Amino acid sequence: DAKTTQPNSMESNEEEPVHLPCNHSTISGTDYIHWYRQLPSQGPEYVIHGLTSNVNNRMASLAIAEDRKSSTLILHRATLRDAAVYYCILRAPNTGNQFYFGTGTSLTVIP
Amino acid sequence: NAGVMQNPRHLVRRRGQEARLRCSPMKGHSHVYWYRQLPEEGLKFMVYLQKENIIDESGMPKERFSAEFPKEGPSILRIQQVVRGDSAAYFCASSPPGHTYEQYFGPGTRLTVT
Repeated sequence: DAKTTQPNSMESNEEEPVHLPCNHSTISGTDYIHWYRQLPSQGPEYVIHGLTSNVNNRMASLAIAEDRKSSTLILHRATLRDAAVYYCILRAPNTGNQFYFGTGTSLTVIP
Repeated sequence: NAGVMQNPRHLVRRRGQEARLRCSPMKGHSHVYWYRQLPEEGLKFMVYLQKENIIDESGMPKERFSAEFPKEGPSILRIQQVVRGDSAAYFCASSPPGHTYEQYFGPGTRLTVT
């Protein structure tokens, strides 16, 4: 399973944008980039995923570098509810569908 | 549409006892995954099941742990002769056929071994 590197923690002010980086220099051509987040005392929650192109959904945007060796999850306006651990995960299509979680980035949102 | 349900939410067992954790996937989902999360760590994959079949158990400890997903009823993760190191949060996730990129997680079962 290809590794990802994320900062241990980040802080953001409420209602400001947040850019959560992820490095994945050993990514292969068929690996998908997934983001999940885990709120305190809850199970992980799907946020977004992509392959090559940038992606947008109601929760966030995913910006993928042209060489795919890094990506950034963008929360456009952080709210207190966005305080969570954010996991960047690589998934190869033929690996049996399990996800390999790292330690993620713990996001603190300051009111 | 109810989400993934896990019970019990909290389970306390003495060393040597058995722990049975249940997971009911979302309606229409035929894929179930179990993960374990130790304190201050990320989730670790344990096993991937479809109805009546174990597809991938590469993350399961070789002894004392077993999982099943019968034709009827919830998926069960069974831990025999629990030890203190088994204390963790156990999460179940499910996904629909053909959409395994999006896994829906349950609230977890927090197992404490005393």
